[in-house]
Amino acid sequence: QKEVEQNSGPLSVPEGAIASLNCTYSDRGSQSFFWYRQYSGKSPELIMFIYSNGDKEDGRFTAQLNKASQYVSLLIRDSQPSDSATYLCAVSGGFKTIFGAGTRLFVKA
Amino acid sequence: EAGVTQFPSHSVIEKGQTVTLRCDPISGHDNLYWYRRVMGKEIKFLLHFVKESKQDESGMPNNRFLAERTGGTYSTLKVQPAELEDSGVYFCASSLQGALSTEAFFGQGTRLTVV
Repeated sequence: QKEVEQNSGPLSVPEGAIASLNCTYSDRGSQSFFWYRQYSGKSPELIMFIYSNGDKEDGRFTAQLNKASQYVSLLIRDSQPSDSATYLCAVSGGFKTIFGAGTRLFVKA
Repeated sequence: EAGVTQFPSHSVIEKGQTVTLRCDPISGHDNLYWYRRVMGKEIKFLLHFVKESKQDESGMPNNRFLAERTGGTYSTLKVQPAELEDSGVYFCASSLQGALSTEAFFGQGTRLTVV
């Protein structure tokens, strides 16, 4: 079992729809959870982080964390073509951050 | 303020040669990480420095890889001798010191191709 699992996709959604990206992790001691966006050929860019159970909203992005289910998700509302990228889930315990393989998202105009 | 900077951006070398990658973290960031992404795979942790000390090097694949961070500033990652499977994008990241792992700021990466 991988430490951080994501569906590789591609996930295709029409412009204006809600994109839902999911991630599960295996280490129950994990404390910090991050979502990075990576455009092709570019470095990963942090878009959201969450530490506590529940929802955290920032603009069009909402991160959801459920530690009991070891599940973290990212919702993108009003998806735009510019949101097309690979979204990386990252989970930290202490100093080490473990990444998932990423989910490719395509937003169709 | 400059972000995390990596040199070179691309490197193409022959199998058996040596390559040294460099990372300049954000000024004041004690934590420096090296990651690698092989094509189609997830980003994998290689090692973590706190200042000049190796906090965790459990992700280093084998003894052909040597990372240093003299003086706790920039870091180098040397691959000697390089093998075909070492090809990939090597990312460096840095973050502020803290008990919890704070978000890390990534460099643009070095794309290494071993032929």
